[in-house]
Amino acid sequence: NAGVMQNPRHLVRRRGQEARLRCSPMKGHSHVYWYRQLPEEGLKFMVYLQKENIIDESGMPKERFSAEFPKEGPSILRIQQVVRGDSAAYFCASSPPIGSYEQYFGPGTRLTVT
Amino acid sequence: SQQGEEDPQALSIQEGENATMNCSYKTSINNLQWYRQNSGRGLVHLILIRSNEREKHSGRLRVTLDTSKKSSSLLITASRAADTASYFCATDAYGNQFYFGTGTSLTVIP
Repeated sequence: NAGVMQNPRHLVRRRGQEARLRCSPMKGHSHVYWYRQLPEEGLKFMVYLQKENIIDESGMPKERFSAEFPKEGPSILRIQQVVRGDSAAYFCASSPPIGSYEQYFGPGTRLTVT
Repeated sequence: SQQGEEDPQALSIQEGENATMNCSYKTSINNLQWYRQNSGRGLVHLILIRSNEREKHSGRLRVTLDTSKKSSSLLITASRAADTASYFCATDAYGNQFYFGTGTSLTVIP
């Protein structure tokens, strides 16, 4: 059973470009979470999604950031018009539908904005 | 905020010694979890302790939870160089959303 997959592992974008980060949850998991980790800091919750639903996006910046988890395919975290302050590691985690509080984390995508 | 805070921020010990790190949080929780992160990698789940539990063991790990003090501790016994990593506590109070602290950076010197 493959773990949580994220791609790309590293992404470099110039200011103003768009960044798309993908996350494939573990097989059988229908809950996906995105976190951001700035250098020397802990993880900050961004958004919690189930298939085709955003459950909680309270940690998501109001502008330029969006997330989706379609019925088919990976979850996508999209950052439009990136700025230098968006440079961070973005981690995705997944958990089973019911009864488990444990989240399984992917390896992360390191976004660098130049 | 709900965020957990780990203490100390950094810890350096000799191989074979025990390492203790602490986590404090601000509001009532359902569960508290500890994660490990090796440099540049994703998080690995270590142990979950529920709010009605006081102590839990897993191999060389021992976690305690004191809900009256809103604090938890992670003890790693007989540390190894491979234990070198950052350790985060994560708390939840609203279902599946977790709030992570800033982590304790542990260095185990061979």
